[in-house]
Amino acid sequence: GQQLNQSPQSMFIQEGEDVSMNCTSSSIFNTWLWYKQEPGEGPVLLIALYKAGELTSNGRLTAQFGITRKDSFLNISASIPSDVGIYFCAGQDLRGTYKYIFGTGTRLKVLA
Amino acid sequence: DTAVSQTPKYLVTQMGNDKSIKCEQNLGHDTMYWYKQDSKKFLKIMFSYNNKELIINETVPNRFSPKSPDKAHLNLHINSLELGDSAVYFCASSQDLGGREQYFGPGTRLTVT
Repeated sequence: GQQLNQSPQSMFIQEGEDVSMNCTSSSIFNTWLWYKQEPGEGPVLLIALYKAGELTSNGRLTAQFGITRKDSFLNISASIPSDVGIYFCAGQDLRGTYKYIFGTGTRLKVLA
Repeated sequence: DTAVSQTPKYLVTQMGNDKSIKCEQNLGHDTMYWYKQDSKKFLKIMFSYNNKELIINETVPNRFSPKSPDKAHLNLHINSLELGDSAVYFCASSQDLGGREQYFGPGTRLTVT
């Protein structure tokens, strides 16, 4: 099945550092979603983006909808230990079956 | 109040058995989904239903049969379970097909021995 390219695959950072990750696609999307998944839990929606160029924040998290509509970016500022988890992007194509395509995930570990 | 709930949380069974996973959402959404997450954490769409109508059937073996008795429920029945079916299965819902924000349940970890 189709998956979005997400980078980096994993990150080990010190508490207090900023984190950046991105997601790229060969197709354009009308919506980008960012999720966080912790062990044994379902993905939790963090931020939703609906327009090219849109920049949206949720606390220390900021995400952007790329102007080409083929990419999206997520930044976490001043990381804390509870930021640990897997971050997924997802794009939705509003043509056809309105399927959500997920990224391969970025595994984040924060060292206190 | 849990928005999207699934039962059971864990399911351990032997090859060849038939099992079901249930999903319910109390968000008033029209569209529900089943995803499979493999050991590498890749999330792959299996099915979607909109107002009880099947929309997506993503090349899933016909041993997997979803059923949507009403908009708030989407169940997944799996016949003749195989070792490769071991995975975490997630239910999700969105307002409608173009509803954009999608919310996930807690997952069902299926282990086939």
